Amino acid sequence: EAQVTQNPRYLITVTGKKLTVTCSQNMNHEYMSWYRQDPGLGLRQIYYSMNVEVTDKGDVPEGYKVSRKEKRNFPLILESPSPNQTSLYFCASKRRDRRDTQYFGPGTRLTVL
Amino acid sequence: AQSVTQLDSQVPVFEEAPVELRCNYSSSVSVYLFWYVQYPNQGLQLLLKYLSGSTLVKGINGFEAEFNKSQTSFHLRKPSVHISDTAEYFCAVSQTDSWGKLQFGAGTQVVVTP
Repeated sequence: EAQVTQNPRYLITVTGKKLTVTCSQNMNHEYMSWYRQDPGLGLRQIYYSMNVEVTDKGDVPEGYKVSRKEKRNFPLILESPSPNQTSLYFCASKRRDRRDTQYFGPGTRLTVL
Repeated sequence: AQSVTQLDSQVPVFEEAPVELRCNYSSSVSVYLFWYVQYPNQGLQLLLKYLSGSTLVKGINGFEAEFNKSQTSFHLRKPSVHISDTAEYFCAVSQTDSWGKLQFGAGTQVVVTP
């Protein structure tokens, strides 16, 4: 089954404790992206990647890092989480075709205390 | 720069009644338009998209949307809703010259009651 998977689905952590949220897709998509969803704001892009070793900032990159060492994986790293990063995070992927649909993972709900 | 405005944050509707969710956008370049649905505790699922051609787009689950270039709108409609349509709906745009960044509206929560 074609899908985007994220782990963990739920995470409660404390301020300053480094964490990684994994994202993997099995569709051989070149483009991958991370979004955060906050009430009343919709989804906002954090980082994206056009292909292996090619990443760039989205609209809200502060406090986040990403890497793209393999085509299927695109982890999101929070080196020193803060409470304002409490949010619902979605990973998405698509083919490198401007008209293609973006497919979303199930989401990771992160709480930073 | 582009922006997306969903004019209603919440829409209550009775079962079997019609529903319309409004979406307006602004962009200095041409765009592709999307509607996504998010059921409780789930990810986003594509309902429909407008890329080019006919301005009336039909999607899954009986939804349709109409692209109006002059009014820069992309309103979503369903003639008769079910309880299972209770969800949050997001309008999104991407520039035709970009590789994939989606600009989302704030979302519209649809609550269907018997």
